[in-house]
Amino acid sequence: IAGITQAPTSQILAAGRRMTLRCTQDMRHNAMYWYRQDLGLGLRLIHYSNTAGTTGKGEVPDGYSVSRANTDDFPLTLASAVPSQTSVYFCASSDSPGVAEQFFGPGTRLTVL
Amino acid sequence: QKEVEQNSGPLSVPEGAIASLNCTYSDRGSQSFFWYRQYSGKSPELIMFIYSNGDKEDGRFTAQLNKASQYVSLLIRDSQPSDSATYLCAVGVAGNQFYFGTGTSLTVIP
Repeated sequence: IAGITQAPTSQILAAGRRMTLRCTQDMRHNAMYWYRQDLGLGLRLIHYSNTAGTTGKGEVPDGYSVSRANTDDFPLTLASAVPSQTSVYFCASSDSPGVAEQFFGPGTRLTVL
Repeated sequence: QKEVEQNSGPLSVPEGAIASLNCTYSDRGSQSFFWYRQYSGKSPELIMFIYSNGDKEDGRFTAQLNKASQYVSLLIRDSQPSDSATYLCAVGVAGNQFYFGTGTSLTVIP
């Protein structure tokens, strides 16, 4: 089934630990995105990639890094997790950035203690 | 000023009524406009998209766009309890990312 997968579904993490959230799409979309969603704040863009090999910073990039080695995968890494990074993280992809719809993955619920 | 503004609600309508959701945006260069529905604990899913001024209808849903007023709305006719969700407005500029509003919570009362 075509779409976006994310792993893990949920995770509890000790502060200071390193964590990588995985995202894979099989739609061959050019653009991919990472958002975090917090109550009352809506979806906030962390990082994006308009095409394989390029990445850019979104609204809230501090404490996060991404890479885009190929079209399908867009992992998000928290180098040293802090409690304020407790959130639901969504990965999304789009065939044409800013023009075509974004398809969302099922999300990862991350708790940093 | 946020790029995209929505009334957070909650908005409550009786079953069978019309629900009206509104969104304003600040970037006059915006070219694409989307409405997503998000059920609690789930990811956003696309309901409607609109690129040109005017109305676009799809079943019980109508999206309305007025670029001069920088305003986009979503009408849900014959509202059903299953329409109870948070509705996210998203605005895009070609070659750039989307800007999302914070969402409007809709409750349809049986």
